[in-house]
Amino acid sequence: NAGVTQTPKFQVLKTGQSMTLQCAQDMNHEYMSWYRQDPGMGLRLIHYSVGAGITDQGEVPNGYNVSRSTTEDFPLRLLSAAPSQTSVYFCASSYSRTGGLVEQYFGPGTRLTVT
Amino acid sequence: GDSVTQMEGPVTLSEEAFLTINCTYTATGYPSLFWYVQYPGEGLQLLLKATKADDKGSNKGFEATYRKETTSFHLEKGSVQVSDSAVYFCALSDSGNTPLVFGKGTRLSVIA
Repeated sequence: NAGVTQTPKFQVLKTGQSMTLQCAQDMNHEYMSWYRQDPGMGLRLIHYSVGAGITDQGEVPNGYNVSRSTTEDFPLRLLSAAPSQTSVYFCASSYSRTGGLVEQYFGPGTRLTVT
Repeated sequence: GDSVTQMEGPVTLSEEAFLTINCTYTATGYPSLFWYVQYPGEGLQLLLKATKADDKGSNKGFEATYRKETTSFHLEKGSVQVSDSAVYFCALSDSGNTPLVFGKGTRLSVIA
């Protein structure tokens, strides 16, 4: 099992450019999510998905789009990059049970700088 | 809504010192509780978890007990090592498919 993989590891964008951060998991998890991590802010949820074809917004969704066409993939799109989107982005996946999510598995992160 | 509050860092300890990182939570149901650890330059990884009241999670010398009466899940280790230097996150998972709720993280530095 590769677990949760993210590409690229590092990216520099100019303001206004668009790009897609890739996330894939090979554990057949229904649940996937995207977080951003900024100094002193902990993890903030951007978008999440409870299964293929289903997505929902998290705490900080503005400026980002997601789609979930397959169980394995959950790409995050930046529509028009802004310096405020400079951050480290983590993708995570989990399976759920009636009592709630079982542990989340995190990818290694993508460090994005917008100039 | 659900929330997790953990002690502010950074925490600096000498090697072999005792560690406590406090975590309290607010939840409507009976959540599962987790501690995650993030080593420098890496993603988060699960350190330990507890799914019901009075459960004790343990791993790598770390322990935390699910205390429903005080809504707490404090992380402890009897003797820290330099290799324990990392950021520690407390989190909860409530029922259904609601996202995990994380605390803001506590940075631990252990010096030799």
